[in-house]
Amino acid sequence: KNEVEQSPQNLTAQEGEFITINCSYSVGISALHWLQQHPGGGIVSLFMLSSGKKKHGRLIATINIQEKHSSLHITASHPRDSAVYICAVRSRNFGNEKLTFGTGTRLTIIP
Amino acid sequence: DVKVTQSSRYLVKRTGEKVFLECVQDMDHENMFWYRQDPGLGLRLIYFSYDVKMKEKGDIPEGYSVSREKKERFSLILESASTNQTSMYLCASTVGGSNQPQHFGDGTRLSIL
Repeated sequence: KNEVEQSPQNLTAQEGEFITINCSYSVGISALHWLQQHPGGGIVSLFMLSSGKKKHGRLIATINIQEKHSSLHITASHPRDSAVYICAVRSRNFGNEKLTFGTGTRLTIIP
Repeated sequence: DVKVTQSSRYLVKRTGEKVFLECVQDMDHENMFWYRQDPGLGLRLIYFSYDVKMKEKGDIPEGYSVSREKKERFSLILESASTNQTSMYLCASTVGGSNQPQHFGDGTRLSIL
């Protein structure tokens, strides 16, 4: 079983829909990251969370430490949101900067 | 803005060749990382470095080596390339000793024929 599980693996939605991507992890963590990867490969960091909730524009990330679960929400989705969204955790067991990554959720927003 | 630059976007090499992938960052970051990304497997850590001339093995170091002679540059070396090393390779960097996001390069898509 992977330490970081994402769901769904693929998601297709109409423009304007509210999107939720889920991430569950099995280890104690010091931080959780949400990353975005557009076609062509470059990865951008969206959020880093250790508790609660963060918001940036139409993106919202939440984390429940007790349940070992995080969600990424996109409000009023747009075709430019089409990308792969990756969850990654920094384990509390490591004294360094290593991340463990989920396999990603491929999001496609149809105009 | 942090810039992490990988030397090639696409690279085609032959089996048995020695292959060098270069990564340069411009923000004086202590930590640098090499990952490979394969469909269905996500990003996997090959090696990372937390200082000049320092390196640690990641989860899949076999068949790879690294070099960090200067703080801004981290090189990944495929000593004798094999077809199972065909993959997307991503470099990242971050400030050392703090819980900060990693900054990624655009990736190198390497094909070994």
